[in-house]
Amino acid sequence: SQTIHQWPATLVQPVGSPLSLECTVEGTSNPNLYWYRQAAGRGLQLLFYSVGIGQISSEVPQNLSASRPQDRQFILSSKKLLLSDSGFYLCAWSTNRQRAFFGQGTRLTVV
Amino acid sequence: AQSVTQPDIHITVSEGASLELRCNYSYGATPYLFWYVQSPGQGLQLLLKYFSGDTLVQGIKGFEAEFKRSQSSFNLRKPSVHWSDAAEYFCAVGASSGSARQLTFGSGTQLTVLP
Repeated sequence: SQTIHQWPATLVQPVGSPLSLECTVEGTSNPNLYWYRQAAGRGLQLLFYSVGIGQISSEVPQNLSASRPQDRQFILSSKKLLLSDSGFYLCAWSTNRQRAFFGQGTRLTVV
Repeated sequence: AQSVTQPDIHITVSEGASLELRCNYSYGATPYLFWYVQSPGQGLQLLLKYFSGDTLVQGIKGFEAEFKRSQSSFNLRKPSVHWSDAAEYFCAVGASSGSARQLTFGSGTQLTVLP
């Protein structure tokens, strides 16, 4: 069966520090991968999506970047975190059958 | 462009009472519609989905939703709420075609259940 792993679950980082959140998927090939963010008091916002290795599309200009070095690995990064980067980050994958599967999420607090 | 509106930011109901969470969507063709639930400290879990066919869909945990094309709505219902249903609920619409599947989410409805 397919599973999605996302880590860490919680993270507290100082302003200006780098960020790396990792997401891996098992049990499927060539999935579409997504990074979402849920800011406090707001809904989910799609940040990045990828249809294949090295193919990244950005939905919202921001202080973050994404990479897909392997078929089932999706990484969210930042060189210098801002306070406004705090939020709940969710990785997800889907196939052409539409349903999306979400990871457990990472609660990021920038202090 | 597709969009989803959840007009209720926060709803409070008593345990055992009925529940209806509203969702309105905007999409040019037949939409794929979803309801997800996010419990504290957890990721999103799919409650139910509508692709085609019967407009009343049954989901997990006793939830159901009805697709009403004329009203562009996909409201979530439960006849009797349990304390464990307290969570945030997201309605989403998906594109019917294309190489990259993207979900557009509503802003969510926070459900509080009173004892």
